[in-house]
Amino acid sequence: EVQLVQSGAEVKKPGESLKISCKGSGYSFSNYWIAWVRQMPGKGLEWMGIIYPDDFDTRYSPSFQGQVTISADKSISTAYLQWNSLKASDTAMYYCARQKGLSSDWGSNWFDPWGQGTLVTVSS
Amino acid sequence: QSVLTQPPSASGTPGQRVTISCSGSSSNIRGNPVNWYQQLPGTAPKLLIYSNNQRPSGVPDRFSGSKSGTSASLAISGLQSEDEADYYCAAWDDSLNGWVFGGGTKLTVL
Repeated sequence: EVQLVQSGAEVKKPGESLKISCKGSGYSFSNYWIAWVRQMPGKGLEWMGIIYPDDFDTRYSPSFQGQVTISADKSISTAYLQWNSLKASDTAMYYCARQKGLSSDWGSNWFDPWGQGTLVTVSS
Repeated sequence: QSVLTQPPSASGTPGQRVTISCSGSSSNIRGNPVNWYQQLPGTAPKLLIYSNNQRPSGVPDRFSGSKSGTSASLAISGLQSEDEADYYCAAWDDSLNGWVFGGGTKLTVL
């Protein structure tokens, strides 16, 4: 079974750093892009960025460029999302998702499966 | 403000057919396939429709998708109480070079 399992909920203070994880299993982790998606409380889905674990090629949404760092360790089939200095506005649920598709054309892809989500709460 | 526009809410009674629209532009929906995701309360999103109108294994054929020009639609026939969820459309945007989502539609089964 193809599965993405994310790390547990985090409660942090403003200014602290954080790294959350997403571990893939049941498929060749290195050969599929992994995306990160934010969902703020009561709001919709926002694409943050994506990484190809095999060569670490990473793309960011302009909204998140410079705000977070996406990385991966293909030796342990795990992708990461990292903050150096959290803000209260980073409070959200964060999902990872595997990008799968019919071709190398970016548009001909979709996200499946999704991780269960990691709730990040930033509060003083 | 989301790049793709969806109605914030939709509703129907059991057995009815409902449709949810998703409006975009030439840089996203017109040139790229549309995917739909279902998010049941308190759970992670799940792929519902990919490539405009394809259903993944396990998704009932009550769910169907279509696309025309810069708009797409999700139709749910034979509405059931377990269909109560948030539904999101998504597409690749060639101008932004990234994935864009609709704001989501909350479906209520009356």
